[in-house]
Formats: sequence, structure tokens, C-alpha cells
Amino acid sequence: DQQVKQNSPSLSVQEGRISILNCDYTNSMFDYFLWYKKYPAEGPTFLISISSIKDKNEDGRFTVFLNKSAKHLSLHIVPSQPGDSAVYFCAARDNNNDMRFGAGTRLTVKP
Amino acid sequence: KAGVTQTPRYLIKTRGQQVTLSCSPISGHRSVSWYQQTPGQGLQFLFEYFSETQRNKGNFPGRFSGRQFSNSRSEMNVSTLELGDSALYLCASSFDPRSYEQYFGPGTRLTVT
Repeated sequence: DQQVKQNSPSLSVQEGRISILNCDYTNSMFDYFLWYKKYPAEGPTFLISISSIKDKNEDGRFTVFLNKSAKHLSLHIVPSQPGDSAVYFCAARDNNNDMRFGAGTRLTVKP
Repeated sequence: KAGVTQTPRYLIKTRGQQVTLSCSPISGHRSVSWYQQTPGQGLQFLFEYFSETQRNKGNFPGRFSGRQFSNSRSEMNVSTLELGDSALYLCASSFDPRSYEQYFGPGTRLTVT
């Protein structure tokens, strides 16, 4: 069951522009959301998170927005840099500490 | 502080064989989770261990099993390998199950022929 969905398998943006990665979820019991970045041959690394009691969290160039009514979250990267090219996974955790991941979106930032 | 280590990094097995993968968590971390990553499926949760006890198990057949040792190191075993078991197996550690952030190892790339 795909409780966390990333419907765009890939995204390509120009360096300096904004990258927007989207994620939808179906389980209303999720109370914490995370984004991970994964480079080839490496494990995912934690990027940014947001609690369900917030609608925005910002960390440098990275901002995560949460729309609970739409069960949708997005990751904004501004400005995008070539080093941001990676696969981004959206993840959600429920109050039983069960974590679910999306299928990932491959971001390519072109110089 | 050393990160999560997984051995081996690459493995080739044939159908019907069994395989054991190892994970050493970050020092001080007591919770270890295992995930399977396949193209298009993202990361799928296999199981989570804490204090040598399996806390959670994902929707995988009984051929997939695991254990955790007193030093928090964990192993997962897959018996009677199938072609569809070819995947990247990732281990993640956290201080305890209540920790939201997990730290992943580099993974073990398993190829079943």
C-alpha cells in the first residue's frame, strides 16, 4: 500500500532556479514528515523535517511546506545548485513510529 | 563519530541460496531498521529492532528475517532467494525508536541470478 506517493519520478531544473518536489500521503495518522537526499552508492541522508503541527519549516536553501487538509507536502530548494542533483525521498511517520517512504524523485540541476 | 556500516557492499547470489547481511549502527544508537529499495518502489520497510527485540515488521514474506545482538549490531537473512529479491538493502540506526531522524548506511547491493 502506497501511503506516501511521489508522483514525479524525475525533475530537471536550471541552476539558480527553484526546485519544487512534491509528496502526497493518505494516512491521516502521520504526524511527522521528513525529506531525505540520496546520492548514488550512498545511503539516504536526512535533509529536513516538519511536524504536523506546523505548516512550514525552513533551513537555509531548503523549505518544506505541509498542507494537512490536502495531505500534501513539498520541498522547495532555492536557489538550486548542481550539487543538489540526487534522488529525494519523502517519508512520513505515524504515532506508532512506523515510517513510510515514497518512491523518490530524481532531481537534476543543470549548470 | 563513525557512521552506519554495512557489509558486504555488493553480493551476487543464485536463486534458492540464502544470504546474511550485516549492519553496525552508530555508536550509542540502539534502534536499527532495515529497508529494501527497488526502482520505482522507493524504500520499503522490512523490520525494526530495539534492544534485541523486533518491534515492527513490514509486509514481507517469512523468508526475510533478522536479529539484533547485545551490542546493537544487526543482521538480516533472506532464505530461498528469488530473482525479485535483487535490490539495495539499507540499514538505518537511531538512538531509540522515538527518534524521528534515522541515519542510513551505504547499503548492500544484492543481485540474484
